[in-house]
Amino acid sequence: EAGVAQSPRYKIIEKRQSVAFWCNPISGHATLYWYQQILGQGPKLLIQFQNNGVVDDSQLPKDRFSAERLKGVDSTLKIQPAKLEDSAVYLCASSLLAGGPNEQFFGPGTRLTVL
Amino acid sequence: AQSVTQLDSHVSVSEGTPVLLRCNYSSSYSPSLFWYVQHPNKGLQLLLKYTSAATLVKGINGFEAEFKKSETSFHLTKPSAHMSDAAEYFCVVTQTGNQFYFGTGTSLTVIP
Repeated sequence: EAGVAQSPRYKIIEKRQSVAFWCNPISGHATLYWYQQILGQGPKLLIQFQNNGVVDDSQLPKDRFSAERLKGVDSTLKIQPAKLEDSAVYLCASSLLAGGPNEQFFGPGTRLTVL
Repeated sequence: AQSVTQLDSHVSVSEGTPVLLRCNYSSSYSPSLFWYVQHPNKGLQLLLKYTSAATLVKGINGFEAEFKKSETSFHLTKPSAHMSDAAEYFCVVTQTGNQFYFGTGTSLTVIP
């Protein structure tokens, strides 16, 4: 079974530029998550989708971050414009079922450096 | 409000000795709790989870954790550390399954 795929693996940009990350979850998984992991901290949930609907985006900085999950499969997270404090690893995860305390399968992450 | 506190940012043990990684949680309702492991340059992997069934939960690679409601704790243990256990460990809490809160992590070093 293929795991969660993310690209790119690394990205370096200057502040005020835009950047997009892509995630392809495990086939058939209903729920998709985006996390931000700043160095030395645990992952922080940014947004959660069930199929192509948003379940929770309460911690997503909506003035600069946006995410979509078209057709309930893969997803894109965008930052526009980036700030220095956005430097982090962005993790995508998926789980088979919708709702409940289900196991999440994580991708390798995208490491973003904002200069 | 929900949160977890991992009491040690770094733990160092000798190979073959017991491992104890401590986690305390805060939750208004009955929580579900997880432990995930993150090896260098690899994705997070589930070790075990508690979802209101048996309070002693067994996971992969010989790890287990005990849910203690009176102490609001969910400590991770392993009887004998192996070199391959060296990694970052995260305790996670959720009430509804729609908000997952990670601790700040514990880095485990295993000394040969």
